[in-house]
Amino acid sequence: AQTVTQSQPEMSVQEAETVTLSCTYDTSESNYYLFWYKQPPSRQMILVIRQEAYKQQNATENRFSVNFQKAAKSFSLKISDSQLGDTAMYFCAFGSNYQLIWGAGTKLIIKP
Amino acid sequence: NAGVTQTPKFQVLKTGQSMTLQCAQDMNHEYMSWYRQDPGMGLRLIHYSVGAGITDQGEVPNGYNVSRSTTEDFPLRLLSAAPSQTSVYFCASSYSGVGRGPLSGNTIYFGEGSWLTVV
Repeated sequence: AQTVTQSQPEMSVQEAETVTLSCTYDTSESNYYLFWYKQPPSRQMILVIRQEAYKQQNATENRFSVNFQKAAKSFSLKISDSQLGDTAMYFCAFGSNYQLIWGAGTKLIIKP
Repeated sequence: NAGVTQTPKFQVLKTGQSMTLQCAQDMNHEYMSWYRQDPGMGLRLIHYSVGAGITDQGEVPNGYNVSRSTTEDFPLRLLSAAPSQTSVYFCASSYSGVGRGPLSGNTIYFGEGSWLTVV
């Protein structure tokens, strides 16, 4: 069975700093998708970034980028120039076929 | 374009009562699903559907029923509510993709969540 592990329950950084959130997963599949979702206090689930497993190039979306290490089954999220609005829960998710498998989340706090 | 709409947003039930959480999407998505989110945990899949008339179980289906009579609607029924079903429920939908199923690279749209408390 697939599993997703986020080893950092909570992180806190100063505004404008760079922060990296960790995610590891376990699967025997070769083709899958990985996602990072942001959940602010409103509880809305917001897609931050996604990565296709067969693509070697790391995905980037403005200030957000990933470090995808397929052999190590690692998928970390880097947030550059962090902003107060980045404060939220961040979830890593593994997608294959008909469901998403989610990590337990990392609470990220950006301090002014 | 309303996206994914869930109702009600908040509900308090007594143990043993039944209720239905409604989910509707106006994007003509074939794939719809229900997740629950408990404190300190990620979302867990309850049931999903890949089209009208087709449903299947996810990771935690016990105590819940679903049906999909139209493309737009995917209601979740709690048969006999228990305190263990106190949670936040999310409905999600996406287009059916090619290759390895409807999550293959497609954007997954989430509703705003339904807070359910069973006392």
